[in-house]
Parts: sequence; structure tokens; C-alpha cells
Amino acid sequence: GAVVSQHPSRVICKSGTSVKIECRSLDFQATTMFWYRQFPKKSLMLMATSNEGSKATYEQGVEKDKFLINHASLTLSTLTVTSAHPEDSSFYICSARQGEAEAFFGQGTRLTVV
Amino acid sequence: GQNIDQPTEMTATEGAIVQINCTYQTSGFNGLFWYQQHAGEAPTFLSYNVLDGLEEKGRFSSFLSRSKGYSYLLLKELQMKDSASYLCAVMDSNYQLIWGAGTKLIIKP
Repeated sequence: GAVVSQHPSRVICKSGTSVKIECRSLDFQATTMFWYRQFPKKSLMLMATSNEGSKATYEQGVEKDKFLINHASLTLSTLTVTSAHPEDSSFYICSARQGEAEAFFGQGTRLTVV
Repeated sequence: GQNIDQPTEMTATEGAIVQINCTYQTSGFNGLFWYQQHAGEAPTFLSYNVLDGLEEKGRFSSFLSRSKGYSYLLLKELQMKDSASYLCAVMDSNYQLIWGAGTKLIIKP
């Protein structure tokens, strides 16, 4: 199956700093990418949907200025957590799909804000 | 290496029961998730198991055996809207999600 690579797999940052997470589709052109957040023992929460070359569509309750999403190319989307706080500590996952095909998931990024 | 196995495709009849199996080999275990995904949509959470046994939620149940590295998702009283892909995912000791390729479930009248 298609491969979606997410980097870094884990990151620890200081409160107040920003962290960028990358999501790459390695063998297909990802026209759409999804960003999720997952808390331990809970479901995936869709944060935003991004289509290449256009602004991301954020789900209700997700702060656009705090979670910056860029999908500048057909193989790369980035999620930047700005001015991170301990409550932002979580597991962030991306998925990507080409057209209306099925989506493939990255392995996730564990963010810890200290 | 880490591996999640589930059947590629299954077919069942409306009103019947179907069991989708998932076996895993991962470095550590912090829970197993089942998701449902309809074509072109984001996946939706179905269940989470971290202890052995059966978790029941209405028409859906999920079972886990950690010693066997095995889980199944049981769907009862199948409806046409249950036609979807069902994804099994395991969180390993590093809190990384290892995803199965998904099982496409086809429901026939």
C-alpha cells in the first residue's frame, strides 16, 4: 500500500515555543491531507482537512492561529503548533489520499510540552 | 518488525453477523483501536481495547487477547450502511500507531 511518512515521531519542547510536524506522501500525490489529534484511550479527533494549494478547513473548536496547517505541495503538509502549552501535549496523526481514493495514515507524532 | 494483519475484503448478508479479525506483532502494546471508514470520508472511532476481553457497544463488539496478539470486531444485525472499510490499529510502547491495511466489508441484500 501507499506510504505516508510523518516526522518527527516524537518531540519534546518547552512551553511557549513552536513545533512543526511534517507529513509526506512517499509514492503518490496527496491532493487531500487530514490532521488528527488523539488523546490516550480516546478516539481520533479530526482537526482540519487541507487540499493542496488552498487554505485548510478547520473543524469546530480548533484554533486556526494555534494550529497552522500548510499544504504547499502534493507530497507535503505541515502542522505547526504555535506557542505550545502543556495542554497541547498529545498524539498528532496525519493521513493523506489522492483524489477520492482511500486515505493512508502516518505513524503519528507524540508531542510533549514541558 | 511490527505487523498488523487483517483480511483485505469480506462479504456478508444484511441482517447477519460478521467477525473481522486482526492479529498483531508490535514492540509493546498500549491499546488496540478499531475505526470505520466510508469511502472518501475520515475514519470514525468504533472501539478501544487495552485489557483482555469483550467490549460491547450496541451492534458492535470488540475482543482482545493480548497473549495471542489477537483482536476481532463483531458486527451484528448488519445494515447496508455498514458497508465500509474497518481499520485495526495498535499503539506500541513508543505510543506510535501501527495501522492495518483495513478490511473492506461488502454487505449484500
